Amino acid sequence: GAVVSQHPSWVICKSGTSVKIECRSLDFQATTMFWYRQFPKQSLMLMATSNEGSKATYEQGVEKDKFLINHASLTLSTLTVTSAHPEDSSFYICSASLGQATNEKLFFGSGTQLSVL
Amino acid sequence: DAKTTQPNSMESNEEEPVHLPCNHSTISGTDYIHWYRQLPSQGPEYVIHGLTSNVNNRMASLAIAEDRKSSTLILHRATLRDAAVYYCILRRNTGFQKLVFGTGTRLLVSP
Repeated sequence: GAVVSQHPSWVICKSGTSVKIECRSLDFQATTMFWYRQFPKQSLMLMATSNEGSKATYEQGVEKDKFLINHASLTLSTLTVTSAHPEDSSFYICSASLGQATNEKLFFGSGTQLSVL
Repeated sequence: DAKTTQPNSMESNEEEPVHLPCNHSTISGTDYIHWYRQLPSQGPEYVIHGLTSNVNNRMASLAIAEDRKSSTLILHRATLRDAAVYYCILRRNTGFQKLVFGTGTRLLVSP
């Protein structure tokens, strides 16, 4: 089946630094990828929709200047958390689907645990 | 976004069948019903999806009510590895067909 690879699995950084998370579709092309964040014991919250070759679409309340998304190719999307602060500590997850139809399933990365000191 | 309602948690014994309910009374005609599950510290994984007819795959079965306002995910024989949070989601044909997660059902499986 289709595989989505997310890297790194975990990262610890100092407050004020920026962190980049990569999401790759290994064996298929993904026009659209999605980025989620998840706090402990809570559900996934959709942050943004990443579209290859165009600007990302952010959900209400998500700061686009804080969470920079780049979808430079059909197999790679990156999320950069800029000037990270402890409240940005969370589990970040990306996903992609083979197509855009509603009957297409999504494949998820294994997630990135970000801890900001 | 179309809302789904699931029980917060359910318990089962190993080797027994599990029926996980989901209510989606505001479903529209073109919404697909998707189920995903998330094991601890992992990204979600696809379980099954359907539109109107019941669906079976190697992981589970999906029973969809005739009026489509509810569905049930069926695990035929629960194992300890099935302990996870199960999410019932409607994927609608708007806004890049994004998946918006609800609170899900935490399934506990006892040996």
